[in-house]
Amino acid sequence: SQTIHQWPATLVQPVGSPLSLECTVEGTSNPNLYWYRQAAGRGLQLLFYSVGIGQISSEVPQNLSASRPQDRQFILSSKKLLLSDSGFYLCAWSVTGSRSYTFGSGTRLTVV
Amino acid sequence: GQQVMQIPQYQHVQEGEDFTTYCNSSTTLSNIQWYKQRPGGHPVFLIQLVKSGEVKKQKRLTFQFGEAKKNSSLHITATQTTDVGTYFCAGPGSSNTGKLIFGQGTTLQVKP
Repeated sequence: SQTIHQWPATLVQPVGSPLSLECTVEGTSNPNLYWYRQAAGRGLQLLFYSVGIGQISSEVPQNLSASRPQDRQFILSSKKLLLSDSGFYLCAWSVTGSRSYTFGSGTRLTVV
Repeated sequence: GQQVMQIPQYQHVQEGEDFTTYCNSSTTLSNIQWYKQRPGGHPVFLIQLVKSGEVKKQKRLTFQFGEAKKNSSLHITATQTTDVGTYFCAGPGSSNTGKLIFGQGTTLQVKP
């Protein structure tokens, strides 16, 4: 069966420090992968999506970047965190045609 | 750009009362999906509607897709404390990338 792993679950980082969040999917090949951010009590903002290895599309200009070094691995990074980067980061995958998303358990990031 | 709007943003009900959230898209949708996010958790896929005027039921939850395929609703009959959470609708983005555009969500609180 397909599973999605996201870590860490919680992270507290100082302003100006780097960030690396990792998401991996098991049990499927060539998934579409997505990074979303959710501010406290707010909706889901799409940050990046990827339809294949090395293919990254950015939805909003920001302090973050994404990479997909392997088919089932999606990484969200920042060189220098800002206070405004705090939030709940969710990775999701879908298979073209199935249309529904499966979300990871999320990373709650607090930048202090 | 394409927008998916959801109302109300918040709803407080007494246990046993009914609850409805409404979703409207700025464009015609090929399908509409609904997700539930429990407090502190990640969104979980509930259902997908595809056909114009479609109605689907999951126990006390009734989902409808409008005739014009631009609006949808989720109705919960006789709410229970286990229904607490945020309910999101989502529709496909304009490009063929599997992107979903999420509504802002409706957060339901149920008083026992």
